[in-house]
This record gives sequence, C-alpha cells and structure tokens, in this order.
Amino acid sequence: DVKVTQSSRYLVKRTGEKVFLECVQDMDHENMFWYRQDPGLGLRLIYFSYDVKMKEKGDIPEGYSVSREKKERFSLILESASTNQTSMYLCASRGNQETQYFGPGTRLLVL
Amino acid sequence: QKEVEQNSGPLSVPEGAIASLNCTYSDRGSQSFFWYRQYSGKSPELIMFIYSNGDKEDGRFTAQLNKASQYVSLLIRDSQPSDSATYLCAVYSGNTPLVFGKGTRLSVIA
Repeated sequence: DVKVTQSSRYLVKRTGEKVFLECVQDMDHENMFWYRQDPGLGLRLIYFSYDVKMKEKGDIPEGYSVSREKKERFSLILESASTNQTSMYLCASRGNQETQYFGPGTRLLVL
Repeated sequence: QKEVEQNSGPLSVPEGAIASLNCTYSDRGSQSFFWYRQYSGKSPELIMFIYSNGDKEDGRFTAQLNKASQYVSLLIRDSQPSDSATYLCAVYSGNTPLVFGKGTRLSVIA
C-alpha cells in the first residue's frame, strides 16, 4: 500500500515566519509534487521534482521553494509566510505506473 | 495550455440512482485518465484509472473513455450518501504533471 505522509495536519504561523512542510513517501517513487488547494480554485501545482536534487516550477511557485535531498522526502518552504498563503497544502507522489497518490494534507493558517 | 473541464455541480441524485460525472480534456495526446474522490476537508483519493477506449468497471464504479471525443466519465451505480464528495478528473500526457479538473460536487440524497 502506497503511503504518503505529511509532517503536520494543521499549522498556525505568523506573517513573516519561515515555514517548512515535509512530505515522505515509502514507495520509491521518482516523482513528487506540491499543490495548494483553495475553494473555487481547484488544485494548483506549486513545484514538482522528478529526481533527487531536481526541481521544476509549477503554476504558482512565487513565494515558495523546495528541497529534495533524498528520494523519499520532498520539502516545501515558505520563505516568509504571508496571509495569502493560508491554504490546504497537498503533497503527492507518482511512480512509473503514472498513478499518483496524495498525502493527507496540511491546513496552514498564516496570521 | 492543457485543460481539463468538469461541471462544478452540485450534482444531486437520489440514493440508489446512477450518478454520471463527466470530464473533457483538450490534449489529444493524453494517455491516462484518473478519477479521484475528495471528501470535504480531506485529500484526494484515487478510485479509478483508465488507459484504453471503452469501459472499465470496479465494483459500483465504471469509468468510460472516448478518446475521439476527448471525453471521460465516471458512473456510480446504486449511489449511497457516503458517495457524496467532490470528484476530480485528472489527465496524464506523458512525463508531465497530471492536469486536474476543478471537480464536480456530488450530493446523494437519502
């Protein structure tokens, strides 16, 4: 059974704080993704990675960065959190069979 | 720009009826098609995928693909209140991220 875990289910941060969201998958998948999801806007891709130390910008990378030092771990970093980054953040991983699995999500509130 | 379109709903069906969810996509080179179910406040859960034209059945779910019409659908037979959720259609076009529709909200009325 594929398992994608995220470090926190809920987070509350202050404006200007640096925020780390961690994602770990246990299926040796090459591909990992970070999305945010907001009401009425659907899933929006922030960053993705096809391999260790590789990263690609998605549709809305501004204000975010990522790190992939190990194959199983993909981190999303908010360099200086702002209130418009309040959202549900979803990590996903995908293997060569193209099926993609999501983690449980992190609901982030920036005050 | 690759696009996946879904009617946002809500689609309301009575318990026991067939729910029909539809999705169209713009990229003719699309190879694989996925349906996810997302309960309110939860993450998307993969329920079906289909690669070839025609029907694919899994329990009460049937995915239908028509590549010529660039159309994929999900049928839910004997709909239950527990099927009430948002259903996301996603399309894969080869070595690129999945393209997701915005989802259709389904409400099954007891």
